Amino acid sequence: DAGVIQSPRHEVTEMGQEVTLRCKLISGHNSLFWYRQTMMRGLELLIYFNNNVPIDDSGMPEDRFSAKMPNASFSTLKIQPSEPRDSAVYFCASRPQETYPYEQYFGPGTRLTVT
Amino acid sequence: KQEVTQIPAALSVPEGENLVLNCSFTDSAIYNLQWFRQDPGKGLTSLLLIQSSQREQTSGRLNASLDKSSGRSTLYIAASQPGDSATYLCGISSGSARQLTFGSGTQLTVLP
Repeated sequence: DAGVIQSPRHEVTEMGQEVTLRCKLISGHNSLFWYRQTMMRGLELLIYFNNNVPIDDSGMPEDRFSAKMPNASFSTLKIQPSEPRDSAVYFCASRPQETYPYEQYFGPGTRLTVT
Repeated sequence: KQEVTQIPAALSVPEGENLVLNCSFTDSAIYNLQWFRQDPGKGLTSLLLIQSSQREQTSGRLNASLDKSSGRSTLYIAASQPGDSATYLCGISSGSARQLTFGSGTQLTVLP
């Protein structure tokens, strides 16, 4: 398996533009997590899906952020409109069926720069 | 709410030294603990996973321990090499979603 795939790897956009980040889960995994990494706040959880259903979105910073999982293997994280403070590295991670020890597998990340 | 602390924030050692990185957490009701390595500008590489029922895990020169009662984990690196230079993150799986809560990391530099 190719592992968790994220695209694009780098994104530079201007303030106010819409940004869409994409994530493909490892085949057979049914849980998906989106994390954001910044120098100030470190790695923090944004949203968690289980079986395509958003379970916990309490980490989503504001209404400008939205995430979807249109099918079992794919997810998008959208920011509209983007702001310079959204600049960060965004990681997605997937996890197999709900079986112990619940190990998460991370994608390579998308580095977002909003100017 | 789980809180994770990593000490020290940065560490510089000469090549060949053995070293210990520390991770502490506030809620002992965990599912597992994962140690990750992150190179500058790169993603997370999983190094070791310790299940909540385990005390330690070993992989090559790395040994991770877990003491749930005291809320502590250590990552021991033997015979350090310049290639070990990276930021090391510990992530604690807990909560209803079994999500990972991360510490702020330890930036390790191994000098040749």
